[in-house]
Amino acid sequence: SQQGEEDPQALSIQEGENATMNCSYKTSINNLQWYRQNSGRGLVHLILIRSNEREKHSGRLRVTLDTSKKSSSLLITASRAADTASYFCATDMDTGRRALTFGSGTRLQVQP
Amino acid sequence: GAGVSQSPSNKVTEKGKDVELRCDPISGHTALYWYRQSLGQGLEFLIYFQGNSAPDKSGLPSDRFSAERTGGSVSTLTIQRTQQEDSAVYLCASSLTSGAYTDTQYFGPGTRLTVL
Repeated sequence: SQQGEEDPQALSIQEGENATMNCSYKTSINNLQWYRQNSGRGLVHLILIRSNEREKHSGRLRVTLDTSKKSSSLLITASRAADTASYFCATDMDTGRRALTFGSGTRLQVQP
Repeated sequence: GAGVSQSPSNKVTEKGKDVELRCDPISGHTALYWYRQSLGQGLEFLIYFQGNSAPDKSGLPSDRFSAERTGGSVSTLTIQRTQQEDSAVYLCASSLTSGAYTDTQYFGPGTRLTVL
């Protein structure tokens, strides 16, 4: 089963609106990372939040982490058509294996 | 500077043939990862290299899959006797280091493999 599962699977909003995506995971983590993917090819790193952090900002992005609920959220404010992409959360599990475990992603469509 | 590069960008092969996929990581990055992504899915971990340590092969789906990393830099993923279920995008990523935790990973554009 997936370590990270995003919700919703798909989201369609209008330009200027905010987009919120959620991620849940099952085991304890060192950090959680969000990535963006355009057109099913390479992923671009957006933000990394460590297990002892609760909130992080980067430009129009805001990420929260609740380790007690094993969940994270990614908020994109004032969305733009160029934000249309798939967004993945990835967890660095506290198991010693040094590879990220990815969820199945949220497909965001921002209508101009 | 140059990012992670992968070649070929697309590969179409016939069932039963062997294929080799190449990854050039960012210079100086000691950690290198291979992932596989099926259509509309998340990424599936395949294998991880860290410096001169033995690779973590725990994600390889079968013994038809193997990978090597020469000189701590370029990596090649080999799939022998390809099957149709091997069709996917194969993504390579590298990071500066991977000690106590997994750091930010920088991804290549991927190789789209189609097995007919």
